[in-house]
Amino acid sequence: ELKVEQNPLFLSMQEGKNYTIYCNYSTTSDRLYWYRQDPGKSLESLFVLLSNGAVKQEGRLMASLDTKARLSTLHITAAVHDLSATYFCAVDIKNTPLVFGKGTRLSVIA
Amino acid sequence: DTGVSQDPRHKITKRGQNVTFRCDPISEHNRLYWYRQTLGQGPEFLTYFQNEAQLEKSRLLSDRFSAERPKGSFSTLEIQRTEQGDSAMYLCASSMTRSQDTQYFGPGTRLTVL
Repeated sequence: ELKVEQNPLFLSMQEGKNYTIYCNYSTTSDRLYWYRQDPGKSLESLFVLLSNGAVKQEGRLMASLDTKARLSTLHITAAVHDLSATYFCAVDIKNTPLVFGKGTRLSVIA
Repeated sequence: DTGVSQDPRHKITKRGQNVTFRCDPISEHNRLYWYRQTLGQGPEFLTYFQNEAQLEKSRLLSDRFSAERPKGSFSTLEIQRTEQGDSAMYLCASSMTRSQDTQYFGPGTRLTVL
């Protein structure tokens, strides 16, 4: 059974600081996704990572994938308040339904 | 708006009542998924369709739950004899069966069972 674990589950960081969220998964997968969810809202797709060594960047967020370690990271650079949200990683195998981690609730404070 | 839409956005019902939710996927997407999300958790898969065929159902989907996608376009999720434990956000997502296609999520239907 595919399991996805994120850490930390809660993260409070100061504006301007850098931090990394980690996502581990238990079996070989085809794709890894990062989603953002604001309170009471649905999920917004951030990144899709398809292969070992893949790196994608959008603004202050950068995601990477190491398939050998079964690990993805979401790196936040110089955090701003607008990044406060819950971030989920999700994994699928051969285009099957996604298995999500529990999410990392990020709070960026002044 | 060409995104995934869901209706209703909120539903409050009494225990034992039946409820039905609707999802309209992105028009060219042939796959449609239902997930359930409870507070503080990630979404959990319930069932999915490719065109009108229901390809997989989760163990979470008890006999009280049924989903349809009769013409391969919109889908409905019905819960019969609702229980308080059914209270959750029900999310619909759609995608194409291409190797790099992401699942796009709708706004969700928040169900509260009193």
